[in-house]
Amino acid sequence: AQSVAQPEDQVNVAEGNPLTVKCTYSVSGNPYLFWYVQYPNRGLQFLLKYITGDNLVKGSYGFEAEFNKSQTSFHLKKPSALVSDSALYFCAVRPVSGGYNKLIFGAGTRLAVHP
Amino acid sequence: SAVISQKPSRDICQRGTSLTIQCQVDSQVTMMFWYRQQPGQSLTLIATANQGSEATYESGFVIDKFPISRPNLTFSTLTVSNMSPEDSSIYLCSVEGRPSASTQYFGPGTRLTVL
Repeated sequence: AQSVAQPEDQVNVAEGNPLTVKCTYSVSGNPYLFWYVQYPNRGLQFLLKYITGDNLVKGSYGFEAEFNKSQTSFHLKKPSALVSDSALYFCAVRPVSGGYNKLIFGAGTRLAVHP
Repeated sequence: SAVISQKPSRDICQRGTSLTIQCQVDSQVTMMFWYRQQPGQSLTLIATANQGSEATYESGFVIDKFPISRPNLTFSTLTVSNMSPEDSSIYLCSVEGRPSASTQYFGPGTRLTVL
């Protein structure tokens, strides 16, 4: 079965420190990979995606993500966390087969950045 | 990016009743999607709605419970029928490709509480 794993329910980081939010996936082929962020009482906002090319992709708000094919991982990173980064982060995968453009989401990781 | 709006933003409903959620996009899009986010959980795709064809439902979701309309390229509705407390969730619509191809962009969501 196709799945996305975010092994940490919550990540706690001090402001100014680097952050990593982990994501691994189990999907056949070469899926498209995404990160979204959800602030309280708001919809999902697209952060970044990987389709092909350079394994390090850069996105909105200073976030970046590193694709590792051998480990089937797509970890989200930021060199220096801000308190305003505190939110719920979702990793999502789009299989490239199946005939339509379904997104499979991980369970989400809550990021808490402390002053 | 495309501006996506949903109505209502939230509602409280009695069990046994039905609610229709509207999703409006400010540009024409081929594919629209409806997701459910149950309390404290991740997003699950309900169905894919393409203009001019029947919606495609995911396993566990049926048309009688979640009828969908897609009358044109900028609008869709999702009805939650014969509601029970288990239907209490956030319902989100998404569109693909505006502005970035292969990327889904989400509306703000409709928070539904069923008593």
